[in-house]
Amino acid sequence: DIQMTQSPSSLSASVGDRVTITCRASQTISSYLNWYQQKPGRAPNLLIYTASTLQSGVPSRFRGSGSGSDFTLTITTLHPDDVATYYCQQSYITPFTFGPGTKVDI
Amino acid sequence: EVQLVQSGGGLVQPGGSLRLSCAASGFTFSSYDMHWVRQVPGRGLEWVSALGSTGDPHYSGSVKGRFTVSRENAKNSLYLQMNSLRAGDTAVYYCARAGGLVGMDVWGQGTTVTVSS
Repeated sequence: DIQMTQSPSSLSASVGDRVTITCRASQTISSYLNWYQQKPGRAPNLLIYTASTLQSGVPSRFRGSGSGSDFTLTITTLHPDDVATYYCQQSYITPFTFGPGTKVDI
Repeated sequence: EVQLVQSGGGLVQPGGSLRLSCAASGFTFSSYDMHWVRQVPGRGLEWVSALGSTGDPHYSGSVKGRFTVSRENAKNSLYLQMNSLRAGDTAVYYCARAGGLVGMDVWGQGTTVTVSS
């Protein structure tokens, strides 16, 4: 199985800050990497798919990059509504494993 | 409105069985891959199973041989039959839609499964 790691596991930043979360796969997954945002008590919400494509309706301050085994999610200007846990997930091969998550606080 | 509505969770004893359902509306269900994802409260997301529009089912190693995913396209419904349940299967279970190898863009509301005596 492909193992996904994320760093950091949590972070605290100020409104307006640039926030970067990294995700690494244990083997190459091309660009089959997705990012989700999850708020407490809610289902996950797709932000980015195939590493860098913004899902319809998602604010443009969310940006994804990377390919192969190293990926990054950037929030260019942190908003209060961005407080959540962020997960990466590979869709290259089953089992479609998730990263452990990064909790973002303000 | 595109939505997935789940039902079927509950309390079951270890070794027991439960069937989860996921009813789709607002889109052409038969054209999409469908997934099950679970989450232990306070923990991360765990992919459980997937079933393509015409393909074979796929399972995580932790549920393979115990869980069975199926779909009835005529009823716009996805199912997860869970047998030989263990305490470690206790979680919130989500169904989700995916267009091929891209992300899961529509999620159900989640249903809680508790395995306990």
